[in-house]
Amino acid sequence: NAGVTQTPKFQVLKTGQSMTLQCAQDMNHNSMYWYRQDPGMGLRLIYYSASEGTTDKGEVPNGYNVSRLNKREFSLRLESAAPSQTSVYFCASSRRAGQVNQPQHFGDGTRLSIL
Amino acid sequence: AQSVTQLGSHVSVSEGALVLLRCNYSSSVPPYLFWYVQYPNQGLQLLLKYTTGATLVKGINGFEAEFKKSETSFHLTKPSAHMSDAAEYFCAVSENYGGATNKLIFGTGTLLAVQP
Repeated sequence: NAGVTQTPKFQVLKTGQSMTLQCAQDMNHNSMYWYRQDPGMGLRLIYYSASEGTTDKGEVPNGYNVSRLNKREFSLRLESAAPSQTSVYFCASSRRAGQVNQPQHFGDGTRLSIL
Repeated sequence: AQSVTQLGSHVSVSEGALVLLRCNYSSSVPPYLFWYVQYPNQGLQLLLKYTTGATLVKGINGFEAEFKKSETSFHLTKPSAHMSDAAEYFCAVSENYGGATNKLIFGTGTLLAVQP
């Protein structure tokens, strides 16, 4: 069972470069999410997609864009990377939109450093 | 808005000792609460969840948590710590965005160290 798969696992960028983080889930989930994790701050929601064809901003969307390519895939793009975007990025999915008792399932993360 | 507070960013226990990780929440509606564990260089894994019903919730790896509405708490416990329990633990509350989807609000995490 693959669950949620993120690529790449590690990446180093220079300031101003662009990059797309990929995420795919094989659990037939409707909702998908992108978080960033920084020391002492827990996880903060960047963007989410309640269902295929919809995306919405989370808590910290500035500097990012997303695409829900299909039901399985949800990508996160950094158009012009900045050192403040150095972080660990997690993708997650949940089964059914609108049901607050549904847990989210997480990928193993992408560790991104911006020099 | 809902929020979660985890008291103690670092907790250290001896192997075989009781583990107690604290979580308090703020919510204007009945909360749905979760505990996740993160091992080094891995993603978050669900330990347990409280939705409705029984207030004592049992999870994986011998962990359990008790929902106490009067104290707005959802503390995580394990009677006897094992070396393999060393990890970071996150408490989270689920917030519904107008029926569109559920958003998790995370605490800042507690790093558990287990001493031999």
